[in-house]
Amino acid sequence: DAGVTQSPTHLIKTRGQQVTLRCSPKSGHDTVSWYQQALGQGPQFIFQYYEEEERQRGNFPDRFSGHQFPNYSSELNVNALLLGDSALYLCASSRRSTGELFFGEGSRLTVL
Amino acid sequence: DAKTTQPNSMESNEEEPVHLPCNHSTISGTDYIHWYRQLPSQGPEYVIHGLTSNVNNRMASLAIAEDRKSSTLILHRATLRDAAVYYCILMRYGGATNKLIFGTGTLLAVQP
Repeated sequence: DAGVTQSPTHLIKTRGQQVTLRCSPKSGHDTVSWYQQALGQGPQFIFQYYEEEERQRGNFPDRFSGHQFPNYSSELNVNALLLGDSALYLCASSRRSTGELFFGEGSRLTVL
Repeated sequence: DAKTTQPNSMESNEEEPVHLPCNHSTISGTDYIHWYRQLPSQGPEYVIHGLTSNVNNRMASLAIAEDRKSSTLILHRATLRDAAVYYCILMRYGGATNKLIFGTGTLLAVQP
């Protein structure tokens, strides 16, 4: 049984560019949440998707957007990248929006 | 959201017990106490959770104070693989979300 898978694992972008990160949830899960983890900090909640809609959002600007597909996979998009967007982006899946969370290994984004 | 306080770091020797403390003096009656850990270069993983009574599972034990204002995660015999950041998080029972609010956690070092 595959767990949560994320791609790419590492990527480098320059300021002002746009990035798309992808997440496939654990089998049987229908809800995907995204977190941002800066170096030395705990993960910070970005938003959660369920039934292809954004259900809850953390304190992140509109440059951060997402999508969930009918197969429950999800994308995180970040526009107009800033140096401060450099972080590990974690995807977590669950069964419904209240179930136990399972995390992927993350996508490490570096903005130069 | 109720806040938790943990020591920044702790050290242990291999095969000895480890007690990781967490203070949550503003906990409400419907808040569950969850513990997650994050191994190097991985996403967080669930360890254990409880409400009022002490809990045991294959990974650890959770001891909850009678007034619920503090709790302790107990690893009975630390191994090198237990070196990680441990997060103590409160999650409201019956809430409409499984959003996790992470602090900075406790970095556990295990010496051979």
